Amino acid sequence: EVQLVESGGNLVQPGGSLRLSCAASGLIFSNYWMHWVRQAPGKGLEWVANIKQDGSEKYYVDSVKGRFTISRDNTKNSLYLQMNSLRAEDTAVYYCASLGQIVPWGQGTLVIVSS
Amino acid sequence: QSVLTQTPSASGTPGQRVTISCSGSSSNIGTHSVNWYQQPPGTAPKLLIYSNNQRPSGVPDRVSGSKSGTSASLVISGLQSEDEAEYYCTTWDDSLSGWVFGGGTKLTLL
Repeated sequence: EVQLVESGGNLVQPGGSLRLSCAASGLIFSNYWMHWVRQAPGKGLEWVANIKQDGSEKYYVDSVKGRFTISRDNTKNSLYLQMNSLRAEDTAVYYCASLGQIVPWGQGTLVIVSS
Repeated sequence: QSVLTQTPSASGTPGQRVTISCSGSSSNIGTHSVNWYQQPPGTAPKLLIYSNNQRPSGVPDRVSGSKSGTSASLVISGLQSEDEAEYYCTTWDDSLSGWVFGGGTKLTLL
């Protein structure tokens, strides 16, 4: 069974840092571009970042450039998102996904940025 | 303001057919294939259509997708209660060097 499981979400103060993880199973992880997508409470989906199969290419939405870093470890079938200088507007459920691929999304992990 | 424009809401009665549209530009839909996601309340998004018109196994054939120029459409025929959900289109955008989502269309059964 193909599965993506996110973890690492938490309540953090503005300006703080958090590292999200996504554990993949049931698929050849190294074959896929991987993405982080977020959804603020009551809002739509927003693409955050993606990373190529071998990690050689990474792209970010403008609002997180310079603050967030996406990475992956194909030996551990894992995807990561290092989030620094967090702001209230980063509050959201964060999903890892492989967009456009027949890979089910995980349940997401909730990040709350608040003092 | 989303780069891909979707009508915020749509509705229909059971058995009816509904069309959800997604309008973009030459830098996104005009160049790249479109994917559609369904998100029932309180759940994670699920892939409904990929590569403009391909259905993953398990998605009924009453669901179809198409693309023409800089617009894409999702058609759901024979509406059922399980179709009540939010629907999102998404694709890559060359100008932004990133993926973009439509703002979502909430489908309600009357």
